[in-house]
Amino acid sequence: GQSLEQPSEVTAVEGAIVQINCTYQTSGFYGLSWYQQHDGGAPTFLSYNALDGLEETGRFSSFLSRSDSYGYLLLQELQMKDSASYFCAVPSGSARQLTFGSGTQLTVLP
Amino acid sequence: DADVTQTPRNRITKTGKRIMLECSQTKGHDRMYWYRQDPGLGLRLIYYSFDVKDINKGEISDGYSVSRQAQAKFSLSLESAIPNQTALYFCATSEENTQYFGPGTRLLVL
Repeated sequence: GQSLEQPSEVTAVEGAIVQINCTYQTSGFYGLSWYQQHDGGAPTFLSYNALDGLEETGRFSSFLSRSDSYGYLLLQELQMKDSASYFCAVPSGSARQLTFGSGTQLTVLP
Repeated sequence: DADVTQTPRNRITKTGKRIMLECSQTKGHDRMYWYRQDPGLGLRLIYYSFDVKDINKGEISDGYSVSRQAQAKFSLSLESAIPNQTALYFCATSEENTQYFGPGTRLLVL
């Protein structure tokens, strides 16, 4: 089976940088995904790492270390609109169905 | 227009009632999924489908059934609703390693 651990809450101020960590245990590994969910809304895709290293998309970056079963999402130049829940997830099986972590609630303070 | 739509958006029902949640997509994806989200938790997979003829149980399929009427339509049924099925339900499609979620159906079982 799959299990993922991430912090439940993170708080930071506008303009700062925050890192959300995720450790995982999987029976087979394809990659690590990150999704953003605003309160009550639909999760939206942020990134997917299949290989080790850092991938950058605008203010957001995602990192993966397969040897450590660890990844993180890095958010730079935080804005108030970044306040949301962030989920790491791993795909498995031939349908790449996702197993999600419990989510990290990010609060950005003015 | 949204690529993945769900109806109804909100539903209140009573214990023992049969209800159906519907999902439609215009993305042309073969793979579709139903997830459930409980407060403060990540999404958990109920059922997934490769195509019209291929439907598979997920992590928490007990008490649920699904129907894939066409490539574009994937319905979730609760045969006899119970209060602990109160949750937020999401339908999703996927292509490669990205999942696209509908807006969700908020279900309350009294």
